[in-house]
Amino acid sequence: EADIYQTPRYLVIGTGKKITLECSQTMGHDKMYWYQQDPGMELHLIHYSYGVNSTEKGDLSSESTVSRIRTEHFPLTLESARPSHTSQYLCASSDGYRDTEAFFGQGTRLTVV
Amino acid sequence: KNQVEQSPQSLIILEGKNCTLQCNYTVSPFSNLRWYKQDTGRGPVSLTIMTFSENTKSNGRYTATLDADTKQSSLHITASQLSDSASYICVVSDRGSTLGRLYFGRGTQLTVWP
Repeated sequence: EADIYQTPRYLVIGTGKKITLECSQTMGHDKMYWYQQDPGMELHLIHYSYGVNSTEKGDLSSESTVSRIRTEHFPLTLESARPSHTSQYLCASSDGYRDTEAFFGQGTRLTVV
Repeated sequence: KNQVEQSPQSLIILEGKNCTLQCNYTVSPFSNLRWYKQDTGRGPVSLTIMTFSENTKSNGRYTATLDADTKQSSLHITASQLSDSASYICVVSDRGSTLGRLYFGRGTQLTVWP
């Protein structure tokens, strides 16, 4: 069982609200990722980090922001949620040095109404 | 352009039957290839991971193969069970200067009927 956790699992929020999706891992992994996945579609990388104070935008343009102040924590923030942000958000981490498998959290299902 | 293509897009089989899922990739330079199983509404869970030098790896009823020359991989599921119903995702990692990126296929949606 992977030690990577996302909260909340489900979130319904009104348009214009600020939200933060939490992701934490206890494996000491350097690399962490945020993916966005619509039903039946592939995962799209929106942010990634190679370590503390390192963050990069992914392939899919996103209005969200991320921070990496601690190795174990990689939160994603939406300053003003919109219905177009409705999706599933998956966090993952991997051992950057050995480049072994990526472990995924259970995901956060976000609905913006 | 680095890409991962999976086929078929969806597959329905009867319980107890075998099936094979395909993955073709153009990711370069290649680091490793992973197969993940994703249940509906859950995060992907790793089944196998193979590096360039490995051409087959098994995990219970799941057997993955890799042909690095043709850039093809397959996932064979033996004696399918109802719990095998899920999306199976092929993920390829490159060995770029920035410690590697992950490239995802769209997945094969497998449904096992009783």
